[in-house]
Amino acid sequence: EAQVTQNPRYLITVTGKKLTVTCSQNMNHEYMSWYRQDPGLGLRQIYYSMNVEVTDKGDVPEGYKVSRKEKRNFPLILESPSPNQTSLYFCASSFRGGRYNEQFFGPGTRLTVL
Amino acid sequence: AQKVTQAQTEISVVEKEDVTLDCVYETRDTTYYLFWYKQPPSGELVFLIRRNSFDEQNEISGRYSWNFQKSTSSFNFTITASQVVDSAVYFCALSEAFGETSGSRLTFGEGTQLTVNP
Repeated sequence: EAQVTQNPRYLITVTGKKLTVTCSQNMNHEYMSWYRQDPGLGLRQIYYSMNVEVTDKGDVPEGYKVSRKEKRNFPLILESPSPNQTSLYFCASSFRGGRYNEQFFGPGTRLTVL
Repeated sequence: AQKVTQAQTEISVVEKEDVTLDCVYETRDTTYYLFWYKQPPSGELVFLIRRNSFDEQNEISGRYSWNFQKSTSSFNFTITASQVVDSAVYFCALSEAFGETSGSRLTFGEGTQLTVNP
């Protein structure tokens, strides 16, 4: 089944404790992205990757890191999480030049930073 | 820069009422794509529709219909005879159609929380 998976789905952590949220897709998509969703702000892009070893900042990259060592994986790293990073996070993937630029979303990761 | 505005933060209706969710967008691109997503209380994003900027035909799918008006930069979504299961957050989104980074991002509106009461 074609899908984007994220782990963990729920995470409660404390300020400053490094964490990684994994994202994997099995559709051989070139593009992958991370978004965060906050009330009243919709979804905002954090980082995106156009292919292996090619990443770039989105609209709200501060406090986050990403890497793209393999085409299927695009982990989101919070090296020193802070309470303002409490949010719902979505990973997405798409084909380069895909019809209608359709993005496929993962199920979301709800992160709470205490 | 692209921008999507959903001015209605929350809407509450009674079952069987019709309801329209507004979406206004800004872009310098002449060709682009517009989307609507539904986010039920379980949290996942459910794709509803996409529309090309060069196709201004309105679309109907069951109780759902979409009105795309390029002249007013709007892409409104109407639910006819609403049901309790329609209760969700609805997002409008915009994507550039061409260019090196096309397909790499969606610009989302703020979302509209729709509550349908029995």
